[in-house]
Amino acid sequence: RKEVEQDPGPFNVPEGATVAFNCTYSNSASQSFFWYRQDCRKEPKLLMSVYSSGNEDGRFTAQLNRASQYISLLIRDSKLSDSATYLCVVNLGGYNKLIFGAGTRLAVHP
Amino acid sequence: ETGVTQSPTHLIKTRGQQVTLRCSSQSGHNTVSWYQQALGQGPQFIFQYYREEENGRGNFPPRFSGLQFPNYSSELNVNALELDDSALYLCASSLATAGGYEQFFGPGTRLTVL
Repeated sequence: RKEVEQDPGPFNVPEGATVAFNCTYSNSASQSFFWYRQDCRKEPKLLMSVYSSGNEDGRFTAQLNRASQYISLLIRDSKLSDSATYLCVVNLGGYNKLIFGAGTRLAVHP
Repeated sequence: ETGVTQSPTHLIKTRGQQVTLRCSSQSGHNTVSWYQQALGQGPQFIFQYYREEENGRGNFPPRFSGLQFPNYSSELNVNALELDDSALYLCASSLATAGGYEQFFGPGTRLTVL
């Protein structure tokens, strides 16, 4: 079983749509959780950290369920510029080693 | 821009050759991690260096080795290249080794092994 699993995608949605990404992780000792965004042929960039209480940044909402070992990302009112691959990432703690999912590609069309 | 730079941008090698990739950390960062990203996959952790010492290693064979210099720049060396080593190699720097510190990624080096 992979340590971090994501929806395979791709997701093709029209502008203005709401899209949800799901992710599960296998190690219950995981301590930190993130969503990264990666544009085509570019490096990953931190989109947001994810907390148990849930957190929101503009159109983006992230949620963590430790009991289910489940992480989600909701994007409201999708823009063309949201087209990218979204990577679910966990950190076990100890030293700063990031464990990435395979990513889910999002394509937003006019 | 993250302030993390990598060189070269692209590289083509043949099986059995050796390669050295370079990374310059963001100013003030003392920790560098290296990741391998195969096509269609997420990045996989290779190893981390903190103050010139290897601080952790992923599931990669010994032919993957690294160095960190006093100015915190870093090198990734791969010996006896195999076709499966073709990937994007990313380095990331952070202020410290603890899990709470954000890692800032460089643009990567795309390695093709023929």
